[in-house]
Amino acid sequence: QQQVKQSPQSLIVQKGGISIINCAYENTAFDYFPWYQQFPGKGPALLIAIRPDVSEKKEGRFTISFNKSAKQFSLHIMDSQPGDSATYFCAAVLSGYSTLTFGKGTMLLVSP
Amino acid sequence: ETGVTQTPRHLVMGMTNKKSLKCEQHLGHNAMYWYKQSAKKPLELMFVYSLEERVENNSVPSRFSPECPNSSHLFLHLHTLQPEDSALYLCASRGQGAAEAFFGQGTRLTVV
Repeated sequence: QQQVKQSPQSLIVQKGGISIINCAYENTAFDYFPWYQQFPGKGPALLIAIRPDVSEKKEGRFTISFNKSAKQFSLHIMDSQPGDSATYFCAAVLSGYSTLTFGKGTMLLVSP
Repeated sequence: ETGVTQTPRHLVMGMTNKKSLKCEQHLGHNAMYWYKQSAKKPLELMFVYSLEERVENNSVPSRFSPECPNSSHLFLHLHTLQPEDSALYLCASRGQGAAEAFFGQGTRLTVV
């Protein structure tokens, strides 16, 4: 049973545009929501993360928006660059337990 | 570098071979994971080892056998694999009570 639903599956954005990736979760006990970035042939790397007690977190061009009541969170990439082209995974974590639950991933292509 | 090292980076093996993948971390983490990543498919959790529990995905075939001799090392023993087992195998680790997981670069496995 997939507990984190991620959309879209793929996304093409022009350079300088805004990339938006959405995730929805089911288990309200999750207490940490990271985003991972993965380049071809590499392992996923932690990009940015948020806890449910805040509605937004910004790090440079990357922002997470969190809607606890809707059980949704999203990643916004401002001023998208070709170097941002990668696969992005959202995840949900229950601290104190081993399992990390990942979304299916979004392949982002930023065209020059 | 995430501090999680996987060897080898690439492996080609025949269906009758026996090989092992190795993962090593010296981050003081006490939970380690094996994930399988196939082309255009989501991350698939295979095994988790932690102080609290060992979690096993029941859909993983017995031709994959994990071993965790200590908290810093994790192995995945492979025998009589099938071509559909060709994938990127990712190791990850996580500290006790921590939310972030750190991934290795992966082993690209090709079964011929």
